[in-house]
Amino acid sequence: DAEITQSPRHKITETGRQVTLACHQTWNHNNMFWYRQDLGHGLRLIHYSYGVHDTNKGEVSDGYSVSRSNTEDLPLTLESAASSQTSVYFCASSEFIGGTETQYFGPGTRLLVL
Amino acid sequence: EDQVTQSPEALRLQEGESSSLNCSYTVSGLRGLFWYRQDPGKGPEFLFTLYSAGEEKEKERLKATLTKKESFLHITAPKPEDSATYLCAVQASGGSYIPTFGRGTSLIVHP
Repeated sequence: DAEITQSPRHKITETGRQVTLACHQTWNHNNMFWYRQDLGHGLRLIHYSYGVHDTNKGEVSDGYSVSRSNTEDLPLTLESAASSQTSVYFCASSEFIGGTETQYFGPGTRLLVL
Repeated sequence: EDQVTQSPEALRLQEGESSSLNCSYTVSGLRGLFWYRQDPGKGPEFLFTLYSAGEEKEKERLKATLTKKESFLHITAPKPEDSATYLCAVQASGGSYIPTFGRGTSLIVHP
């Protein structure tokens, strides 16, 4: 079955280190998204991509970057991890159904920055 | 700016006790309203899309309805396995297809 996976599922890192979170989908969706989820804030959009070599900033993009070299993958990089980036990160991809884009989410990566 | 407000923040029910979750929204034009279920430690799972006022969708014990200002997720005779956080999101017409999410309602169903 087609799916969306994230790795690692859990990560502990230190302040200042570079961290990359992987996202892989097998639905062949063009659109992919990265969110973070924190208590009191809900889901907040970090970056998104509408296709290969396309990337766009979301609501909370500072300190994060993405690259899209193929349809299946959208890795998220924290260039210099900060304690404020401790969060749960979700990747999503979407497909066009009935006039809307419906998002499907991965299982999440729980990141702790010490 | 699009806004989505979900209420209540948390809801505790006894098994079999029916209730409703509310999602109020402000959007310039609605392209679609989405409901998701999120279990602890997992990603949101898509449930429904509603497109226009008056529309209803059902899945097992869940029924979602839509008006011009809000959506309700009705839970009939809930079971403990219905315990989860339910998220609502709206997608505005025109411009990007990026949805705006509410903060969710945490539902606990006691046996």
